[in-house]
Amino acid sequence: QVQLVQSGAEVKKPGASVKVSCKASGGTFGSSDVSWVRQAPGQGLEWMGGIIPTLGKPSYAQKFQGRVTIIAERSTSTSYMELSGLTSEDTAVYFCARFLGGRADYWGQGTLVTVSS
Amino acid sequence: EIVMTQSPATLSVSPGERATLSCRASQSVYSNLAWYQQTPGQAPRLLIYAASTRATGIPARFTGSGSGTEFTLTISSLQSEDFAVYYCQQYTTWPRAFGQGTKVEIK
Repeated sequence: QVQLVQSGAEVKKPGASVKVSCKASGGTFGSSDVSWVRQAPGQGLEWMGGIIPTLGKPSYAQKFQGRVTIIAERSTSTSYMELSGLTSEDTAVYFCARFLGGRADYWGQGTLVTVSS
Repeated sequence: EIVMTQSPATLSVSPGERATLSCRASQSVYSNLAWYQQTPGQAPRLLIYAASTRATGIPARFTGSGSGTEFTLTISSLQSEDFAVYYCQQYTTWPRAFGQGTKVEIK
């Protein structure tokens, strides 16, 4: 049984960056990809980006291009998501998820990032 | 990027009744479509993948159908635990994309 454990809540000031980690236990990423999804308060799910397993390269949603960096360290089964240039609109819960064959079968518990001056 | 559009935004249904949710893709995603259920404060749960295959442990009252650009999730007889928000997600191309969600509420 794969478990994805994310790092704890963060409070950041506008303009800062945040880095959230996601470690797989009870298994590894294997040939699946780990992607990051965020959810602003009262809003829907937003796919941010992930690592394309066949290429080992990231793919990012256009909205986040230039501001997000996602890496996956397979040796430690840990993925990191870094988001820069934070504004209040980036206040959200950030989830990592294991996508096997394109669908997310395991999710992290979510990390609340609050951006406030 | 493929855009996923769900309708309606909110669906009011009585317990025991049928709920029909729609998801449309801006271009063909073939059968590379998943459905998720999310309850407040929880991570989403995978219900359906490959447009019509139920994930492990998902009750038979959940049925997915469609291909190409038009998809449907049907819940045959709503139980109390089914009142939640439902999302579709395409995985034909990168970047992936979710629909904006349909909230199924008690009528």
